[in-house]
Amino acid sequence: DIQMTQSPNFLSASVGDTVTITCRASQSISRFLNWYQQKPGRAPTLLIHVAYILQSGVPSRFAGSGSGTDFTLTISGLQPDDSAIYYCQQSASTPWTFGQGTKVEIK
Amino acid sequence: EVQVLESGGGLVQPGGSLRLSCGGSGFPFSSYAMNWVRQAPGKGLEWVSAITGSGSATDYAESVRGRFTISRDNSKNTLYLQMSSLRADDTGIYYCARSSSGPIAAGSQFQYWGQGTLVTVSS
Repeated sequence: DIQMTQSPNFLSASVGDTVTITCRASQSISRFLNWYQQKPGRAPTLLIHVAYILQSGVPSRFAGSGSGTDFTLTISGLQPDDSAIYYCQQSASTPWTFGQGTKVEIK
Repeated sequence: EVQVLESGGGLVQPGGSLRLSCGGSGFPFSSYAMNWVRQAPGKGLEWVSAITGSGSATDYAESVRGRFTISRDNSKNTLYLQMSSLRADDTGIYYCARSSSGPIAAGSQFQYWGQGTLVTVSS
């Protein structure tokens, strides 16, 4: 199975800051990497697919990059509504696997 | 509007069985693979199972293989998860998620999610 590791597990930042979350795969997954946002008590929602393609309706302050084993999710101009847990997920081969999540707190 | 809605969760004893259902609307149901993803209390996301749009192929996480069975009835726009030999570590919220394509294929995403249904395995 492909293991996904995110860092950091938690980050706290202020409104307007730029934050970066890293996701590393245990083997090359090309660009088959998706990002999800989950708010408390809610189902996850798709933010970015195939490493960098923004899902329709997602604000442009979210951006994804990377290929192979190393990927990043960047939020530019952090907003109060961005307080959530963010998960990466590989879609290169089943079993589809997720990172452990990164909790983003707004100071 | 695309919607998926789970039902069937509840309290079940260890070793027991439960069947979850997920209804889809707002899209051609048989054109999309469907998945079950679960989340233990306070924990992260775990993919459980997938089925192709036609229902001809299925896949499972090792943790549930042989105990869970995924199926679908495209005439009823409904996805199922039959769970048996349930254990305490099967406890969690079970989400139904629509894929971005018909096959279980590389490059797909969990594009739409239901609100989840809670399964509690406890005596």
